[in-house]
Amino acid sequence: GQNIDQPTEMTATEGAIVQINCTYQTSGFNGLFWYQQHAGEAPTFLSYNVLDGLEEKGRFSSFLSRSKGYSYLLLKELQMKDSASYLCAVKDSNYQLIWGAGTKLIIKP
Amino acid sequence: DADVTQTPRNRITKTGKRIMLECSQTKGHDRMYWYRQDPGLGLRLIYYSFDVKDINKGEISDGYSVSRQAQAKFSLSLESAIPNQTALYFCATSAKSADSSYEQYFGPGTRLTVT
Repeated sequence: GQNIDQPTEMTATEGAIVQINCTYQTSGFNGLFWYQQHAGEAPTFLSYNVLDGLEEKGRFSSFLSRSKGYSYLLLKELQMKDSASYLCAVKDSNYQLIWGAGTKLIIKP
Repeated sequence: DADVTQTPRNRITKTGKRIMLECSQTKGHDRMYWYRQDPGLGLRLIYYSFDVKDINKGEISDGYSVSRQAQAKFSLSLESAIPNQTALYFCATSAKSADSSYEQYFGPGTRLTVT
């Protein structure tokens, strides 16, 4: 079967750094996405990794290790507005997205 | 950003009723998708369409049907709604991007309650 694992919930402090992990077991791999979803709203695209390594975009970075079936999203200089769920999704051999259940990130002042 | 719109935004219906959820996009994308989201579960794909004449079942198509009326419109129907179809439904679109990711853009969602 196909499986995406992420922690259910994490808590961090404003101004700090947090790392959200994602491990996957899928039938094939054609890329990994991270999306942000505020409560009651649509998911919005954050990052895409298809090759091993780190992709940096401002305060957000995403890392991929295909051999380990592992990715993480790193958020720096946390702001209250970063309180949201973060969804990991893998594009499988059929080019369909398999989604994790998401990690709810709570930011405390 | 109203590039992908969904109607209605909220709907309460009774068991056995037929209901249609509509999605329109102005992004010019060829690919469109319908997902449902339930608490504690990841987004699950119901149907997807790569162009007007191409419609495919997703992971959980039973109890649902779709219609791609035009490149910009993709409707989801529940022929006879049942309570376990209560969920948040999202429409999404995609097209080939510079990095070939085909990242998906989501509509605002329709919250459907079946009583």
